[in-house]
Amino acid sequence: GQSLEQPSEVTAVEGAIVQINCTYQTSGFYGLSWYQQHDGGAPTFLSYNALDGLEETGRFSSFLSRSDSYGYLLLQELQMKDSASYFCAVRNYGQNFVFGPGTRLSVLP
Amino acid sequence: GAVVSQHPSWVICKSGTSVKIECRSLDFQATTMFWYRQFPKQSLMLMATSNEGSKATYEQGVEKDKFLINHASLTLSTLTVTSAHPEDSSFYICSASAGLAGGNTGELFFGEGSRLTVL
Repeated sequence: GQSLEQPSEVTAVEGAIVQINCTYQTSGFYGLSWYQQHDGGAPTFLSYNALDGLEETGRFSSFLSRSDSYGYLLLQELQMKDSASYFCAVRNYGQNFVFGPGTRLSVLP
Repeated sequence: GAVVSQHPSWVICKSGTSVKIECRSLDFQATTMFWYRQFPKQSLMLMATSNEGSKATYEQGVEKDKFLINHASLTLSTLTVTSAHPEDSSFYICSASAGLAGGNTGELFFGEGSRLTVL
């Protein structure tokens, strides 16, 4: 089977740093992606890790440990507009993407 | 980035009717497109993988006779919800990857989504 786990909700204040974890069990693994989705909108791509280590893109960083089947998304200098749902997704050997349950981030003033 | 356009963005229909949703890749050729369904406050559930010129591959539990997928060209895939019922009301999202199923970037390009309400 395939399963991904993420915390369901995270709350933080503006300017803070938040880490959203993702653990996975899949039939195959090419890499781990992260997507942001605002209410009523489509997901937008944030980052992708195929190899172990940290990838940094502006205020967002993503980490992967293949041996631990674990990754995280790090959001720094939180802004109100970062309030959204965040999904990790595994790209597997079937060439498709399996999404995690999502983490709802609320940023408070 | 690549652009995927989905139409209509929302549709309301009567129970028993059929609804067609179109997904177009505007500036790249998408040999593979994916159709997802998302219920409120839930994750994206893959319904099927659509391959240009061949039959779609449906995920377990998805009725292929109810959710007809056609991928007639490298830039267009359609999802038809046949004989729609209220329980089919959902947010349907298509996505496409450029190059080799996302190439090495792991990026899926999503359409805007179509919100279907069946009365």
